[in-house]
Amino acid sequence: DAKTTQPNSMESNEEEPVHLPCNHSTISGTDYIHWYRQLPSQGPEYVIHGLTSNVNNRMASLAIAEDRKSSTLILHRATLRDAAVYYCILDQGAQKLVFGQGTRLTINP
Amino acid sequence: DAGITQSPRHKVTETGTPVTLRCHQTENHRYMYWYRQDPGHGLRLIHYSYGVKDTDKGEVSDGYSVSRSKTEDFLLTLESATSSQTSVYFCANRDRLLGELFFGEGSRLTVL
Repeated sequence: DAKTTQPNSMESNEEEPVHLPCNHSTISGTDYIHWYRQLPSQGPEYVIHGLTSNVNNRMASLAIAEDRKSSTLILHRATLRDAAVYYCILDQGAQKLVFGQGTRLTINP
Repeated sequence: DAGITQSPRHKVTETGTPVTLRCHQTENHRYMYWYRQDPGHGLRLIHYSYGVKDTDKGEVSDGYSVSRSKTEDFLLTLESATSSQTSVYFCANRDRLLGELFFGEGSRLTVL
């Protein structure tokens, strides 16, 4: 299974942008990059995904490096409700998705 | 939201007893998954299903079995629960490969 590497934790301030990095140096050409987040005491929820081009949705933006060996999830204006564990995973189109330990994001008021 | 309901949400049981967790979906998505989540380990895949009666093992399948006799239900069974199976269990589904996963709210199991 393709592996991703994320920092264990990050901290940011409310109303500031947050850039969450993810390294996936062994990514294959057809692997999709997915991001999920897990709020306290809840199941994970989908945030965004992409293949090659940068992607935007109402929750976040996904910036993918040109060589696709890394990506960054961007929260444009963090709120306290964005405090969560963020998971970056590679979807190889196989039936299973493997999660790592993610990045615990703390937002300071 | 893919209409996932997990039951029971909380269960306390004793070592050696059988336990079944149920995952019910309302969206008839083809792919369903059982994960467990423990401190320091993140989410780990137990079993998954790619259709009725089609299931396969994940990375931590020992001690667990699953069944999917109809599209909407995916059952996870611990034949003889052990304390190491104390965990929070999450069910997830998706309608296609490469699509987004939708998770249930989790079932907290304590094995004494």
